[in-house]
Amino acid sequence: SQTIHQWPATLVQPVGSPLSLECTVEGTSNPNLYWYRQAAGRGLQLLFYSVGIGQISSEVPQNLSASRPQDRQFILSSKKLLLSDSGFYLCAWSVGHGTEAFFGQGTRLTVV
Amino acid sequence: QKEVEQNSGPLSVPEGAIASLNCTYSDRGSQSFFWYRQYSGKSPELIMSIYSNGDKEDGRFTAQLNKASQYVSLLIRDSQPSDSATYLCAVYQGTYKYIFGTGTRLKVLA
Repeated sequence: SQTIHQWPATLVQPVGSPLSLECTVEGTSNPNLYWYRQAAGRGLQLLFYSVGIGQISSEVPQNLSASRPQDRQFILSSKKLLLSDSGFYLCAWSVGHGTEAFFGQGTRLTVV
Repeated sequence: QKEVEQNSGPLSVPEGAIASLNCTYSDRGSQSFFWYRQYSGKSPELIMSIYSNGDKEDGRFTAQLNKASQYVSLLIRDSQPSDSATYLCAVYQGTYKYIFGTGTRLKVLA
């Protein structure tokens, strides 16, 4: 069966520090991969999605970037965090077109 | 106009009652529709998917889709206190993107 791993679960980082969040999927090949952010009390905002290795689509211009170095690995990065980057970051995967998407456990990031 | 709209609630129902959650979407080309449940502090969990007009039942849950009215709903029968959560409606727009509503908070009162 397919599983998705996302780490770390919680993170407290100072303003201006770098960020690297990692997500891996097991049990499937060539998944579509997604990064969402959920601010406190808000909906899910799509940040990036990828349909293949090295293919990244950005939805929201900001100081975040994403990379997909391997088929089942998706990384979210920032060179310098802002206070506004605080939130709940969720990785998700799906296969094909329009099928169900499944989420990882999420990373709660607090920028101080 | 928001792409996927939901009433934020809270929607309060007594235990054992039917909870009715609604969602409207703006893109007529949307192809697939999903309901997720999110407990406080946790990630969203898929509970229902629906792809064609009509009703789809799974246990206590029924999803209803009306593409002409651009409307999706979720009915929860015999609501339990453990159903208390935020319910997110999601729409697949055919370009690999899943767009989410802001969610409806459901409270089931014991």
